[in-house]
Amino acid sequence: KQEVTQIPAALSVPEGENLVLNCSFTDSAIYNLQWFRQDPGKGLTSLLLIQSSQREQTSGRLNASLDKSSGRSTLYIAASQPGDSATYLCAVRPEGGSEKLVFGKGTKLTVNP
Amino acid sequence: DGGITQSPKYLFRKEGQNVTLSCEQNLNHDAMYWYRQDPGQGLRLIYYSQIVNDFQKGDIAEGYSVSREKKESFPLTVTSAQKNPTAFYLCASSIVQSAEQYFGPGTRLTVT
Repeated sequence: KQEVTQIPAALSVPEGENLVLNCSFTDSAIYNLQWFRQDPGKGLTSLLLIQSSQREQTSGRLNASLDKSSGRSTLYIAASQPGDSATYLCAVRPEGGSEKLVFGKGTKLTVNP
Repeated sequence: DGGITQSPKYLFRKEGQNVTLSCEQNLNHDAMYWYRQDPGQGLRLIYYSQIVNDFQKGDIAEGYSVSREKKESFPLTVTSAQKNPTAFYLCASSIVQSAEQYFGPGTRLTVT
């Protein structure tokens, strides 16, 4: 059974710092991996989608990498801002045309001014 | 503006009552999903639909029902059989089943 873990559960950094959020999954047979952002009481906003054949994806100050063989993904946030404060979730889609995403519990990020 | 709408944002019901949560999308997506989010837990899949008039159970379908009569709409009914219905409910859609999922703003259901 696929399990997704995000460590740490919470992270607090000063504004301007570069930071890395971690996501690990137990079964390397994945179709893709998606990173989301969730603000309190809100829905999820898709940040980046990495297909299993890709190593990384970039969007603005965000860079997500994928090492499928080791079951790891990282989300790198450059020059963090207070507006980046949110919970970041990663989710994997297992191979085989699976219908569902398997989610981690998220990392709550606080960027202090 | 394309997107997913969920209504209402907050919903309060008495125990024993059925309640229906609305989800509409104008993204022309074929696949739609319902998730439940509880504090300290990851999102869990309730039901999903790949095409109109077809849907499948997810991991926690007991006590829930859905319909997919139109491509744009995927309402979720929380029945009185659901033991612990108080939660944050999220609807999502994707072009096809394996593609990137987009989420609505969610409905917070409180049952007392």
